[in-house]
Parts: sequence; structure tokens; C-alpha cells
Amino acid sequence: DQQVKQNSPSLSVQEGRISILNCDYTNSMFDYFLWYKKYPAEGPTFLISISSIKDKNEDGRFTVFLNKSAKHLSLHIVPSQPGDSAVYFCAASSSSNNNDMRFGAGTRLTVKP
Amino acid sequence: NAGVTQTPKFRVLKTGQSMTLLCAQDMNHEYMYWYRQDPGMGLRLIHYSVGEGTTAKGEVPDGYNVSRLKKQNFLLGLESAAPSQTSVYFCASSYTGAEDQPQHFGDGTRLSIL
Repeated sequence: DQQVKQNSPSLSVQEGRISILNCDYTNSMFDYFLWYKKYPAEGPTFLISISSIKDKNEDGRFTVFLNKSAKHLSLHIVPSQPGDSAVYFCAASSSSNNNDMRFGAGTRLTVKP
Repeated sequence: NAGVTQTPKFRVLKTGQSMTLLCAQDMNHEYMYWYRQDPGMGLRLIHYSVGEGTTAKGEVPDGYNVSRLKKQNFLLGLESAAPSQTSVYFCASSYTGAEDQPQHFGDGTRLSIL
């Protein structure tokens, strides 16, 4: 039972354009959400997060939007750069057990020069 | 700064063999985690530890054991390896278990069970 779903296995965008990666969750107890980025043969690295008390968090070129009523979040990358090409994982946790973080299957982003 | 180091990086086992995966962190983190990643699925938590001498079960603990004898090390053991345990294993650590403390991951161990 995947409680965090990333329905797009891959996404391809042109350099300079916006990349939008989507994530849906089913567990209404989740109240903290994170995005991790993973390059081949490396471990995931933390990118950006958002608490359920917010609907937007921005860090440079990266913005995460949270729609609690739709149980949906998205990561926007503007402008996209070739170095952003990686697999992006959405993750969610509940404050009642924040050690049990659930991950989506990932979306492979390719940014073409 | 090494961060989180996993040993070995690759291993091939035969069904029924045992082995131990080692995770070491040099960031003085209290919390440590073991995940597995399978094709088409996200990372799934196997076991975790909230401090030296403590361990707890995650989402998919069956077939694995762990130990945290030293704060900096977290060991994952497979007593009798099965083909279903073929996966990429990631170790992670965090300073506290607070949700705003992101986990730091190692580069993974690719394990194949024949």
C-alpha cells in the first residue's frame, strides 16, 4: 500500500523552462513533506521541505506547493538547469511517528540543454 | 567530511548465506536508519535506531536484524539471505528525529542474492 505516489516515472524539459514534479499522498496523518534529489550511484540528498501549516515554501530556484485538501504537493524548479537532471523523491511523515518516513517511487527529471 | 559511509558497495550472495552491512556516520547523529529501494518503489524503512543501544522496526523488518552498539555505527544483518532481499540498501542518519531535521544518506549497497 503505497501511501505516497509519484505517478510520473519520468519528465523531460528544456533548459531554462519550468519543471513541475507532482506527488500525491493518501494518509491524512502526514503533516511534513520533503523532496530529495538523487544522482546515479549516490544516496538521496535533501532538497526542500514543507510543513502542513504552510502551503508554499521557496528556496532559490525550488518551490514546493502543498494542497492539503487534495493531498497533493508539487515541486517547481525555475529555471531548470542540466545539473538538475536526477531522480526526485517525494517523502512524507507524521508528527506522531516522524521516524517512519514514506517515500514515493521517484520521478526521473531530464533537463535538455 | 565523510558523512555517512556504507560498506560494502556491492555484494553477491547465495541463497541462505548470511552477511552484515555496515553503516558509519561521523556527524554525531543520534538517529540512524536502514532503507531498501526496489524498482518502481520508493525507499522503504527496514529498521531504525533513536540512539546507541536502541533499535526499532520499520515498515519492512522481516528477514533483517540490526544492532547499534556504538553511536556512530548501525549494522544491518541478513541471517539467511533470500532472492527477495535483492535490493539497494541505503543507510541514513539525522541529528534528532525531528521532522525538520533531514536525513543524510549514504551512497548505498547493491546486494544481489542468487
